[in-house]
Amino acid sequence: DAGVTQSPTHLIKTRGQQVTLRCSPKSGHDTVSWYQQALGQGPQFIFQYYEEEERQRGNFPDRFSGHQFPNYSSELNVNALLLGDSALYLCASSLPTSGGNTGELFFGEGSRLTVL
Amino acid sequence: AQKITQTQPGMFVQEKEAVTLDCTYDTSDPSYGLFWYKQPSSGEMIFLIYQGSYDQQNATEGRYSLNFQKARKSANLVISASQLGDSAMYFCAMREGLSGSARQLTFGSGTQLTVLP
Repeated sequence: DAGVTQSPTHLIKTRGQQVTLRCSPKSGHDTVSWYQQALGQGPQFIFQYYEEEERQRGNFPDRFSGHQFPNYSSELNVNALLLGDSALYLCASSLPTSGGNTGELFFGEGSRLTVL
Repeated sequence: AQKITQTQPGMFVQEKEAVTLDCTYDTSDPSYGLFWYKQPSSGEMIFLIYQGSYDQQNATEGRYSLNFQKARKSANLVISASQLGDSAMYFCAMREGLSGSARQLTFGSGTQLTVLP
């Protein structure tokens, strides 16, 4: 049973460029969340997708956008990259809401973005 | 105000000894969940243990236990019999709201644990 998979694992971009990161959730999971983790800090919530719609959003500008596909996979897009966008981007998936689960998130290994 | 506070940036423990990693939280929601994750250098966040706000007993998972003191709003992680492989970054996190809903997690700043041989 594959866990959460993310691609690419590493990438380098320059300021002003755009980037797309991809995530496949764990089998059976329907909700995908994205987190940004700057060096030496804890992850910060970007947004969450469920049923192909953005359900919750953290304190991130509109340059950060996403999408969820019918197979539950997801993309994170960042436009007009800034130096401060350099971080590890973590995708997490979770079980369906029903069933009273704890809300535990299963994380991928992340995509490390460097903006030069 | 920070919702999750981890006051120990770094901790050292001797192999086979026990270690406690501190976590305090702040919320006005009576329903919440507390999580501990381990992050090795590979980057993946690995779930360790969960405690619900209405759980009467402290959670345990193998060598991990959570010392939940609700009145003090603390949720410390205790690792018994430390192993070299326990060396990693440890994050405390909170989910506000009922179980299974509102799955946004708020993370602390983490504690870097180093296990010494």
